[in-house]
Amino acid sequence: LAKTTQPISMDSYEGQEVNITCSHNNIATNDYITWYQQFPSQGPRFIIQGYKTKVTNEVASLFIPADRKSSTLSLPRVSLSDTAVYYCLVGSGGYNKLIFGAGTRLAVHP
Amino acid sequence: EPEVTQTPSHQVTQMGQEVILRCVPISNHLYFYWYRQILGQKVEFLVSFYNNEISEKSEIFDDQFSVERPDGSNFTLKIRSTKLEDSAMYFCASRPPGLAGGSYEQYFGPGTRLTVT
Repeated sequence: LAKTTQPISMDSYEGQEVNITCSHNNIATNDYITWYQQFPSQGPRFIIQGYKTKVTNEVASLFIPADRKSSTLSLPRVSLSDTAVYYCLVGSGGYNKLIFGAGTRLAVHP
Repeated sequence: EPEVTQTPSHQVTQMGQEVILRCVPISNHLYFYWYRQILGQKVEFLVSFYNNEISEKSEIFDDQFSVERPDGSNFTLKIRSTKLEDSAMYFCASRPPGLAGGSYEQYFGPGTRLTVT
């Protein structure tokens, strides 16, 4: 997997949009960008994955610029239940292991 | 929606004892994984399993660990002689079929909290 850099922590308030940016300067041509969410004492949960441009699902949007050296996970109108750790993973060895970094600890306040 | 299930949710054992952690992956998935997370630390890969054999294992997965798919539904992780440092959350995961080769989509179970005393 490519090395990724994301903020250690972020704070937000209920109802706000949260954008978490991940840098991956060494992304390879075949690499996918994948985001996971982990609540305390639970397993990681796949949120969204993309290769280029924009991907949207019922949970989040993923914005990927043309050079693909970074990506932004966007959570619209967060609630307290979005408090979790968010992990950015970049690579193309899909059948293989996932390597998790420290992630971004998002705290949503009332 | 199908889910990965794990039992037990919490296991307490004494050092030196054998434990078996059980997982039922999503039924049509073919690739299976075990990860662990020591309290306050990163999620760490242990082993991947496909077609009834280990595909890859980490340095953590030493001779004390083994995996098995004893039937068409269960996937187990055995620790032969537990150590204090094996205390962690253990997560099972499985991968849907039909994904693009590069996809990192995996589905995790709720975990088993193993406490070694």
